[in-house]
Amino acid sequence: DVKVTQSSRYLVKRTGEKVFLECVQDMDHENMFWYRQDPGLGLRLIYFSYDVKMKEKGDIPEGYSVSREKKERFSLILESASTNQTSMYLCASREVGGHEQFFGPGTRLTVL
Amino acid sequence: DQQVKQNSPSLSVQEGRISILNCDYTNSMFDYFLWYKKYPAEGPTFLISISSIKDKNEDGRFTVFLNKSAKHLSLHIVPSQPGDSAVYFCAAKKGGKLIFGQGTELSVKP
Repeated sequence: DVKVTQSSRYLVKRTGEKVFLECVQDMDHENMFWYRQDPGLGLRLIYFSYDVKMKEKGDIPEGYSVSREKKERFSLILESASTNQTSMYLCASREVGGHEQFFGPGTRLTVL
Repeated sequence: DQQVKQNSPSLSVQEGRISILNCDYTNSMFDYFLWYKKYPAEGPTFLISISSIKDKNEDGRFTVFLNKSAKHLSLHIVPSQPGDSAVYFCAAKKGGKLIFGQGTELSVKP
């Protein structure tokens, strides 16, 4: 079974803080993705990575950055958290050539 | 621009009846379509998919229909069960990325 884990289920941060969200997958997948989910907006792609050290902007990258130093780990960084970044953050992975993405349980981030 | 749309935010169905969830898309270059199911406080889980060259795919109680001329797909759940109550997302694949709809919350009442 593919397992995607995220470092925290719930997180509360203050405006202006730097926030790190970690994601680890154990199936040796090359591709990894970060989404945020908001009511009425579905899942929106923030950043993705096709391989180690590689990263591509998704549809809403502003205010975020990512790091992929190892194949199994993909980190999302909020450089200076703002209240409009309060959301559910979802990480996913996929093998090369596959269609299905496997999701982690999500991190519910609240920025006060 | 919303390339994948689920126009019904919610749907309520009686247990044992059919649930039909709909999804519309605008880009004819999508090559694969997927449905995901999401419970609160959990990540989405894959349910069923269909290639753009097919018009139907069935897996147990779940069937996905694709109408390319109308740029429309639907998910049928028969018979619906209370455990099916969740948010359902359709997604369309282009290149390496998935584009998701807004989701439809299905409630199956006993």
